[in-house]
Amino acid sequence: QAVVTQEPSLTVSPGGTVTLTCGSSTGAVTSGHYPYWFQQKPGQAPRTLIYDTNIKHSWTPARFSGSLLGGKAALTLSGAQPEDEAEYYCLLFYSGARVFGGGTKLTVL
Amino acid sequence: QVQLVQSGAEVKKPGASVKVSCKASGHTFTDYAIQWVRQAPGQRLEWMGWIIADNGNTKYSQKFQGRVTITRDTSASTAYLELSSLTSEDTAVYYCARDQKGGSPPNYYYYAMDVWGQGTTVTVSS
Repeated sequence: QAVVTQEPSLTVSPGGTVTLTCGSSTGAVTSGHYPYWFQQKPGQAPRTLIYDTNIKHSWTPARFSGSLLGGKAALTLSGAQPEDEAEYYCLLFYSGARVFGGGTKLTVL
Repeated sequence: QVQLVQSGAEVKKPGASVKVSCKASGHTFTDYAIQWVRQAPGQRLEWMGWIIADNGNTKYSQKFQGRVTITRDTSASTAYLELSSLTSEDTAVYYCARDQKGGSPPNYYYYAMDVWGQGTTVTVSS
């Protein structure tokens, strides 16, 4: 089974910009991996922010955006807010199966 | 209101099986697929498998193959996850999530994971 990798932790200043990445042990991440991004706060169920690389749900704040960057999937947060402090997980598709990354703990400080 | 409501917490002995349910309301059950995801305490999310609600087709993570069974009851708008041969490492919160259906026959695809259940805590302890 493929391994999906994320930065364990990142810190961003309020109002700042940060990019989280999502890599695959099988090689470059492409649109064919249909990258997803989820936000999870302590004690809560995950919330899907982005799917299919860059498509947002109606509830996804405009400050979040998804892309492919340097062979990885990327989630960029522009104008971080205190409420964005959370764990962020990516997910990639592999021939019908799905694999989550290890998560990135984002601190807004 | 579109929602997925999961069954209550379970405590099981090692070696036992557990069956968790996920009841859909507010939408037509057979228009969607259901994903199952779990999260052990302090650990990452882990994808377990999924079921297409209208035809019952399933796919499972290799990690759980042979130990997991996902089924659905369309008359009850409910999907089920059954996990057997439980060990302490199966102690986790189990989530279901809905995928929307896109495309046209026969080339449907499933996407979005737009609605999540509240989670079901399964504790495996002797």
